[in-house]
Amino acid sequence: DTGVSQDPRHKITKRGQNVTFRCDPISEHNRLYWYRQTLGQGPEFLTYFQNEAQLEKSRLLSDRFSAERPKGSFSTLEIQRTEQGDSAMYLCASSSSTGKGQPQHFGDGTRLSIL
Amino acid sequence: KNQVEQSPQSLIILEGKNCTLQCNYTVSPFSNLRWYKQDTGRGPVSLTIMTFSENTKSNGRYTATLDADTKQSSLHITASQLSDSASYICVVSAANNAGNMLTFGGGTRLMVKP
Repeated sequence: DTGVSQDPRHKITKRGQNVTFRCDPISEHNRLYWYRQTLGQGPEFLTYFQNEAQLEKSRLLSDRFSAERPKGSFSTLEIQRTEQGDSAMYLCASSSSTGKGQPQHFGDGTRLSIL
Repeated sequence: KNQVEQSPQSLIILEGKNCTLQCNYTVSPFSNLRWYKQDTGRGPVSLTIMTFSENTKSNGRYTATLDADTKQSSLHITASQLSDSASYICVVSAANNAGNMLTFGGGTRLMVKP
């Protein structure tokens, strides 16, 4: 079990550029979640996959954001035409849907800074 | 609206001292409550989980309590160490099995000084 892996750890880009983040969940986990966390706040839910199906999207996920999980394994989160308000830590988590109360295991996040 | 409120927002204690962090929630229907520890620049790591029927759970020097009637939880840290410096996040899970089932508190930022 290598845990949830996110890449890159840090991304600095100019406003208006597109960015893409990758998340590799724990291999046997079929659920994958994306969250956004700003300084001093708890994570906010963005979207959720079960296998390759994107089952929920938060209202926080504007049309500039898109997430995919094409083969039910790794996932990507793309932000188009970045804005300064997109600066945040983007966390990925995974869990198993079998059994009750399965914990979400978090990656160490991608910290995005928009100049 | 589901909400989780934590207090204090920040706390400074001396190494070796004990402290207690508080969490109040309004999440329905309730499934479980977890405390996570988040080191700076890292993802949250689960410390304890409690369901409706459990009122206390320990993990080493960490002891969590839950009062489901008053919808309050606390995390007690005994004999604090420098490595306890982190944010502690209270997370309540709703029993709807949806992707957004978790409601996160804003965290308590703990600093342990030598």
